[in-house]
Amino acid sequence: QLQLQESGPGLVKPSATLSLICTVSGVSISSTTNYWGWIRQPPGKGLEWIGNIYFSGSTYYNPSLKSRVTMSVDTSKSQFSLWLSAATAADTAVYYCVRHNPHSAVDNWGQGTLVTVSS
Amino acid sequence: DIQMTQSPSTLSASVGDRVTITCRASQSISIWLAWYQQKPRKAPKLLIYKTSSLESGVPSRFSGSGSGTEFTLTISSLQPDDFATYYCQQYSIYSGTFGQGTKVEIK
Repeated sequence: QLQLQESGPGLVKPSATLSLICTVSGVSISSTTNYWGWIRQPPGKGLEWIGNIYFSGSTYYNPSLKSRVTMSVDTSKSQFSLWLSAATAADTAVYYCVRHNPHSAVDNWGQGTLVTVSS
Repeated sequence: DIQMTQSPSTLSASVGDRVTITCRASQSISIWLAWYQQKPRKAPKLLIYKTSSLESGVPSRFSGSGSGTEFTLTISSLQPDDFATYYCQQYSIYSGTFGQGTKVEIK
């Protein structure tokens, strides 16, 4: 059974880079049918798609965040990562790592991790 | 960018009611539309993908329809477990814009 687990600092200083790792278990991260991604949700607000990554390293980012977002994948560790530079309070959110199936949308979610941007 | 607009933002209903939520896309997305249910402090759960395909394990009282730019999620007979917030999402490998959400409240 697929499991996704986010990890990383829960507190980030303004202007610093927010970084998170998602560990995938129960299925191969190199599966050709899956994309992996990040979605976030500010407290009390809606969902925002951040981007997707394929096991080959191909990436697709939300245009509104593209200038600050980087994603990578490490197939040897079955992990993928998110970096968001120049963090501000507006980046405070629960960050979810997800599996994105091109045909059946986001069918698996991590439990989510709250990242607060504050000094 | 494709924008997704959901309506209503809040819906008050009673157990047994038929409930419909609408989602409109700013341009045609064919059938690539999903619906999610989210309960407080939980990750969203996929209900429907590809406009009308029911995710495994989801009760048959949930259904989806539409194409192009206008889509609906229908709950045929609202159950106590269905009080939650619902989101639509247009999806491809290149993007994944969500609607702003519809909160279904107890009337």
